Amino acid sequence: EPEVTQTPSHQVTQMGQEVILRCVPISNHLYFYWYRQILGQKVEFLVSFYNNEISEKSEIFDDQFSVERPDGSNFTLKIRSTKLEDSAMYFCARNSGGYTDTQYFGPGTRLTVL
Amino acid sequence: AQTVTQSQPEMSVQEAETVTLSCTYDTSENNYYLFWYKQPPSRQMILVIRQEAYKQQNATENRFSVNFQKAAKSFSLKISDSQLGDTAMYFCAFTTVTYGNKLVFGAGTILRVKS
Repeated sequence: EPEVTQTPSHQVTQMGQEVILRCVPISNHLYFYWYRQILGQKVEFLVSFYNNEISEKSEIFDDQFSVERPDGSNFTLKIRSTKLEDSAMYFCARNSGGYTDTQYFGPGTRLTVL
Repeated sequence: AQTVTQSQPEMSVQEAETVTLSCTYDTSENNYYLFWYKQPPSRQMILVIRQEAYKQQNATENRFSVNFQKAAKSFSLKISDSQLGDTAMYFCAFTTVTYGNKLVFGAGTILRVKS
Protein backbone atom coordinates (compact mmCIF):
# COMPACT_ATOMS: atom_id res chain seq x y z
CA GLU A 1 0.00 0.00 0.00
CA PRO A 2 1.53 3.33 -1.05
CA GLU A 3 2.31 5.89 1.61
CA VAL A 4 0.84 8.56 -0.59
CA THR A 5 -1.18 8.46 -3.78
CA GLN A 6 -0.55 10.68 -6.76
CA THR A 7 -2.84 11.71 -9.57
CA PRO A 8 -2.77 11.55 -12.46
CA SER A 9 -0.39 8.69 -13.11
CA HIS A 10 0.37 10.11 -16.55
CA GLN A 11 -0.29 13.61 -17.87
CA VAL A 12 0.26 14.71 -21.44
CA THR A 13 0.14 18.43 -22.12
CA GLN A 14 1.05 20.97 -24.73
CA MET A 15 3.95 23.33 -24.20
CA GLY A 16 2.80 26.52 -22.50
CA GLN A 17 -0.16 24.88 -20.73
CA GLU A 18 -0.64 24.77 -17.00
CA VAL A 19 -0.64 21.45 -15.18
CA ILE A 20 -1.54 20.52 -11.63
CA LEU A 21 -0.11 17.38 -10.09
CA ARG A 22 -1.77 16.06 -6.96
CA CYS A 23 -0.51 14.18 -3.95
CA VAL A 24 -2.86 12.71 -1.35
CA PRO A 25 -1.35 11.47 1.91
CA ILE A 26 -2.80 8.32 3.42
CA SER A 27 -2.55 9.72 6.91
CA ASN A 28 -2.06 13.13 8.36
CA HIS A 29 1.59 14.10 7.93
CA LEU A 30 3.17 17.50 8.21
CA TYR A 31 6.22 17.20 5.96
CA PHE A 32 5.93 16.83 2.20
CA TYR A 33 8.38 16.99 -0.62
CA TRP A 34 8.35 17.14 -4.41
CA TYR A 35 11.13 15.61 -6.46
CA ARG A 36 11.67 15.39 -10.18
CA GLN A 37 13.37 12.72 -12.25
CA ILE A 38 14.09 13.44 -15.87
CA LEU A 39 14.23 10.18 -17.80
CA GLY A 40 17.59 8.47 -17.35
CA GLN A 41 18.81 11.00 -14.81
CA LYS A 42 19.04 11.29 -11.06
CA VAL A 43 16.23 12.27 -8.77
CA GLU A 44 16.30 16.00 -7.92
CA PHE A 45 14.76 17.87 -5.02
CA LEU A 46 12.25 20.59 -5.94
CA VAL A 47 10.58 21.81 -2.77
CA SER A 48 9.74 20.88 0.80
CA PHE A 49 6.54 21.87 2.53
CA TYR A 50 5.96 21.92 6.24
CA ASN A 51 2.86 22.88 8.14
CA ASN A 52 1.25 24.38 5.04
CA GLU A 53 4.25 26.52 4.10
CA ILE A 54 7.25 26.12 1.82
CA SER A 55 10.25 25.39 4.01
CA GLU A 56 12.84 25.11 1.28
CA LYS A 57 13.06 25.15 -2.49
CA SER A 58 15.77 24.33 -4.99
CA GLU A 59 17.04 26.51 -7.81
CA ILE A 60 14.94 24.39 -10.15
CA PHE A 61 11.81 25.58 -8.38
CA ASP A 62 11.49 28.89 -10.17
CA ASP A 63 8.51 31.20 -10.61
CA GLN A 64 6.68 28.81 -12.90
CA PHE A 65 6.29 26.34 -10.04
CA SER A 66 4.03 26.64 -7.02
CA VAL A 67 2.80 24.32 -4.29
CA GLU A 68 -0.14 24.48 -1.99
CA ARG A 69 -2.39 22.41 0.19
CA PRO A 70 -5.74 23.96 -0.67
CA ASP A 71 -8.06 21.78 1.39
CA GLY A 72 -5.70 20.66 4.13
CA SER A 73 -5.43 17.24 2.57
CA ASN A 74 -4.40 17.26 -1.08
CA PHE A 75 -0.96 18.62 -1.78
CA THR A 76 -0.52 20.08 -5.27
CA LEU A 77 2.36 21.05 -7.52
CA LYS A 78 1.42 23.51 -10.24
CA ILE A 79 3.53 24.27 -13.28
CA ARG A 80 2.17 27.44 -14.84
CA SER A 81 3.58 27.36 -18.35
CA THR A 82 5.11 24.01 -19.18
CA LYS A 83 8.26 23.66 -21.22
CA LEU A 84 9.57 20.66 -23.10
CA GLU A 85 12.26 20.21 -20.46
CA ASP A 86 9.61 19.81 -17.76
CA SER A 87 8.91 16.32 -19.11
CA ALA A 88 9.82 14.05 -16.21
CA MET A 89 8.53 11.86 -13.41
CA TYR A 90 7.34 13.95 -10.48
CA PHE A 91 7.35 12.29 -7.09
CA CYS A 92 5.64 13.39 -3.94
CA ALA A 93 7.16 12.14 -0.71
CA ARG A 94 6.12 12.42 2.88
CA ASN A 95 8.05 12.14 6.08
CA SER A 96 7.26 9.24 8.34
CA GLY A 97 7.25 11.34 11.46
CA GLY A 98 9.97 13.64 12.74
CA TYR A 99 11.95 16.06 10.64
CA THR A 100 14.78 13.67 9.92
CA ASP A 101 12.76 10.54 9.48
CA THR A 102 12.60 8.50 6.33
CA GLN A 103 10.83 9.86 3.28
CA TYR A 104 8.36 7.56 1.59
CA PHE A 105 7.52 8.18 -2.02
CA GLY A 106 4.29 8.11 -3.95
CA PRO A 107 4.07 6.21 -7.23
CA GLY A 108 4.84 9.34 -9.25
CA THR A 109 3.23 11.26 -12.08
CA ARG A 110 4.77 10.97 -15.49
CA LEU A 111 4.50 14.35 -17.22
CA THR A 112 4.97 14.54 -20.96
CA VAL A 113 5.15 17.99 -22.56
CA LEU A 114 4.68 18.06 -26.33
CA ALA B 1 28.29 20.96 -1.09
CA GLN B 2 26.71 17.64 -0.29
CA THR B 3 27.30 15.09 -3.03
CA VAL B 4 26.61 11.41 -3.55
CA THR B 5 28.57 9.32 -6.02
CA GLN B 6 27.66 5.93 -7.41
CA SER B 7 30.52 4.80 -9.56
CA GLN B 8 28.88 1.71 -11.06
CA PRO B 9 26.37 2.63 -13.78
CA GLU B 10 25.41 -1.02 -14.32
CA MET B 11 25.89 -4.30 -12.50
CA SER B 12 24.72 -7.82 -13.14
CA VAL B 13 24.52 -10.87 -10.90
CA GLN B 14 23.35 -14.44 -11.19
CA GLU B 15 20.25 -15.43 -9.32
CA ALA B 16 21.02 -16.60 -5.76
CA GLU B 17 24.42 -14.94 -5.71
CA THR B 18 25.58 -11.89 -3.77
CA VAL B 19 26.25 -8.45 -5.20
CA THR B 20 27.55 -5.22 -3.69
CA LEU B 21 26.64 -1.76 -4.94
CA SER B 22 28.99 1.10 -4.10
CA CYS B 23 28.20 4.58 -2.86
CA THR B 24 30.39 7.37 -1.55
CA TYR B 25 29.30 10.75 -0.28
CA ASP B 26 30.82 14.02 0.73
CA THR B 27 29.73 16.12 3.66
CA SER B 28 31.17 18.18 6.46
CA GLU B 29 28.28 17.27 8.72
CA ASN B 30 28.60 14.80 11.55
CA ASN B 31 24.95 13.91 11.93
CA TYR B 32 23.28 12.62 8.80
CA TYR B 33 21.23 9.80 7.34
CA LEU B 34 21.86 7.50 4.43
CA PHE B 35 19.39 5.52 2.38
CA TRP B 36 19.16 3.08 -0.46
CA TYR B 37 16.09 3.29 -2.65
CA LYS B 38 15.07 0.79 -5.30
CA GLN B 39 13.35 1.86 -8.52
CA PRO B 40 11.94 -1.06 -10.51
CA PRO B 41 10.67 -0.63 -14.09
CA SER B 42 7.39 0.70 -12.68
CA ARG B 43 9.50 3.72 -11.58
CA GLN B 44 8.13 3.63 -8.04
CA MET B 45 10.75 4.68 -5.47
CA ILE B 46 10.90 2.03 -2.75
CA LEU B 47 12.94 2.35 0.43
CA VAL B 48 15.36 -0.53 0.83
CA ILE B 49 17.37 0.40 3.90
CA ARG B 50 18.34 3.31 6.13
CA GLN B 51 21.44 4.07 8.21
CA GLU B 52 21.94 6.76 10.82
CA ALA B 53 25.48 8.12 10.84
CA TYR B 54 25.70 8.08 14.63
CA LYS B 55 25.11 4.32 14.72
CA GLN B 56 28.20 2.17 14.36
CA GLN B 57 26.22 -0.98 13.67
CA ASN B 58 25.50 -1.63 10.02
CA ALA B 59 21.81 -1.73 9.11
CA THR B 60 20.26 -4.94 7.80
CA GLU B 61 16.86 -5.72 6.29
CA ASN B 62 16.45 -9.38 5.43
CA ARG B 63 18.66 -10.03 2.38
CA PHE B 64 19.86 -6.42 2.27
CA SER B 65 22.68 -5.08 4.39
CA VAL B 66 25.02 -2.12 4.28
CA ASN B 67 28.70 -1.61 4.92
CA PHE B 68 28.89 1.87 6.43
CA GLN B 69 32.41 3.26 6.69
CA LYS B 70 32.02 6.73 8.18
CA ALA B 71 35.67 7.74 8.01
CA ALA B 72 35.84 6.75 4.36
CA LYS B 73 32.39 8.23 3.67
CA SER B 74 31.35 5.00 2.05
CA PHE B 75 27.94 3.34 2.16
CA SER B 76 27.70 0.16 0.09
CA LEU B 77 24.66 -2.09 -0.28
CA LYS B 78 25.01 -5.85 -0.24
CA ILE B 79 22.22 -7.97 -1.66
CA SER B 80 22.41 -11.62 -0.70
CA ASP B 81 20.64 -14.48 -2.46
CA SER B 82 19.72 -12.21 -5.36
CA GLN B 83 16.28 -12.71 -6.84
CA LEU B 84 14.87 -11.79 -10.24
CA GLY B 85 12.64 -9.26 -8.53
CA ASP B 86 15.72 -7.38 -7.36
CA THR B 87 16.29 -6.20 -10.93
CA ALA B 88 15.96 -2.42 -10.67
CA MET B 89 17.77 0.88 -10.49
CA TYR B 90 19.25 1.45 -7.04
CA PHE B 91 19.80 4.95 -5.73
CA CYS B 92 21.95 5.92 -2.79
CA ALA B 93 20.68 9.04 -1.02
CA PHE B 94 21.76 11.27 1.82
CA THR B 95 20.21 13.91 4.04
CA THR B 96 21.05 16.06 7.03
CA VAL B 97 19.07 18.25 9.34
CA THR B 98 21.11 21.30 8.47
CA TYR B 99 20.62 20.54 4.80
CA GLY B 100 16.89 20.89 5.26
CA ASN B 101 16.23 17.18 5.23
CA LYS B 102 16.03 17.17 1.44
CA LEU B 103 17.37 14.01 -0.10
CA VAL B 104 20.45 14.23 -2.31
CA PHE B 105 20.62 11.30 -4.69
CA GLY B 106 23.40 9.57 -6.54
CA ALA B 107 23.10 8.87 -10.24
CA GLY B 108 21.96 5.31 -9.63
CA THR B 109 23.16 1.81 -10.47
CA ILE B 110 21.15 -0.45 -12.74
CA LEU B 111 21.18 -3.97 -11.32
CA ARG B 112 20.22 -6.90 -13.51
CA VAL B 113 19.65 -10.29 -11.93
CA LYS B 114 20.08 -13.11 -14.42
CA SER B 115 18.48 -16.54 -14.21
